[in-house]
Amino acid sequence: AQSVTQLGSHVSVSEGALVLLRCNYSSSVPPYLFWYVQYPNQGLQLLLKYTSAATLVKGINGFEAEFKKSETSFHLTKPSAHMSDAAEYFCAVRNESTGNQFYFGTGTSLTVIP
Amino acid sequence: EAGVTQFPSHSVIEKGQTVTLRCDPISGHDNLYWYRRVMGKEIKFLLHFVKESKQDESGMPNNRFLAERTGGTYSTLKVQPAELEDSGVYFCASSPVREGPITQYFGPGTRLTVL
Repeated sequence: AQSVTQLGSHVSVSEGALVLLRCNYSSSVPPYLFWYVQYPNQGLQLLLKYTSAATLVKGINGFEAEFKKSETSFHLTKPSAHMSDAAEYFCAVRNESTGNQFYFGTGTSLTVIP
Repeated sequence: EAGVTQFPSHSVIEKGQTVTLRCDPISGHDNLYWYRRVMGKEIKFLLHFVKESKQDESGMPNNRFLAERTGGTYSTLKVQPAELEDSGVYFCASSPVREGPITQYFGPGTRLTVL
């Protein structure tokens, strides 16, 4: 069975501080992993994805994530938070056995404190 | 290129009424998906169309939900009769048909409130 766990439904960071959003997955076969972001009143936007190439994946807006198979993790980071990063972030997994279905985590709401 | 659009953005109905949600995928995307997020929970898969055919409807909660995609373009999701537990945000996504780890492109969602 596939599943995603996002630790921390709410995360607050100061502007300029490191952003770390955690994602652990469960997958019986090699996964494809995704981070999506939802800004207020907008749809889900793809931040980055892991597709079995490089384990360190760089995305838009300065975000990156590292796939660690031994830890079954795909944590999202950004060195310096900006006010515009305030949004809800979703980690998702799919693999060949799930077909086209994505399995999402419960989401993490990021607040950036000025 | 226009993204995935959904209508309406918000809908408030009473228990027992009928609501129809619409999704227009990105032009040329044969795959169309419906997902739902109940407040505070994860976004859950409902079903998947390839063109006008239902490829996977394993996530549909019950027979009060009916999804259609006539002509393989836009899709509708009807809830009849609506119940309180149907409240949530309904997302639509689309993707092209090709091999590999395909990204799904999501719409802004329809927020459904059943009173």
